[in-house]
Amino acid sequence: EVQLVESGGGLVQPGRSLKLSCLASGFTFSNYGMNWIRQAPGKGLEWVASISSSSSYIYYADTVKGRFTISRDNAKNTLYLQMTSLRSEDTALYYCARLRTVVADYWGQGVMVTVSS
Amino acid sequence: DIVMTQTPSSQAVSAGEKVTMSCKSSQSLLYSENKKNYLAWYQQKPGQSPKLLISWASTRESGVPDRFIGSGSGTDFTLTISSVQAEDLAVYYCEQYYDTWTFGGGTKLELK
Repeated sequence: EVQLVESGGGLVQPGRSLKLSCLASGFTFSNYGMNWIRQAPGKGLEWVASISSSSSYIYYADTVKGRFTISRDNAKNTLYLQMTSLRSEDTALYYCARLRTVVADYWGQGVMVTVSS
Repeated sequence: DIVMTQTPSSQAVSAGEKVTMSCKSSQSLLYSENKKNYLAWYQQKPGQSPKLLISWASTRESGVPDRFIGSGSGTDFTLTISSVQAEDLAVYYCEQYYDTWTFGGGTKLELK
């Protein structure tokens, strides 16, 4: 069974940093690209970042480019999202999702990030 | 950037009713080399993460009931639920993956 479990969220002050993790199981992690997608409270879905299976290709939404860094450790079956210079508008539930070629077929349950002073 | 527009934003339905919702993209999602439309539909129930229903505009995922039908090509797409059940009350999102990824604003199905 495919499982994706996010962790690392919490309350953080504006301008500070936070690192999210997504632990994958139930599939060969190193064979799949991965996405981070977020959802602000009561709002829709917003793609954040993407990384290919071998980390060769990385893409970011304009709203986070230069502030967020996506990475992965295939030996640990873990996806990361390093978030810096956080803003109130980054407050959201952050999901990791597996990419079946380019389609996000499995999603984690999400981890909440709240940016507030 | 490709903009995805979903209509309506919400819709009140009764069990057994046929429902259609629209998704329009600001540019074509049809890739000429493989003749595929790079569009997916997701269902999100309250308190749950999104669930992939349909990819490539019309390919249902394994286990998804056949009352969910995706159609359309190019810039205009439709998700039809042939006979709505109570468990289908949710928010439905379309997503393009032709050029990075973009979601529509969602269509919320509510009980009439």
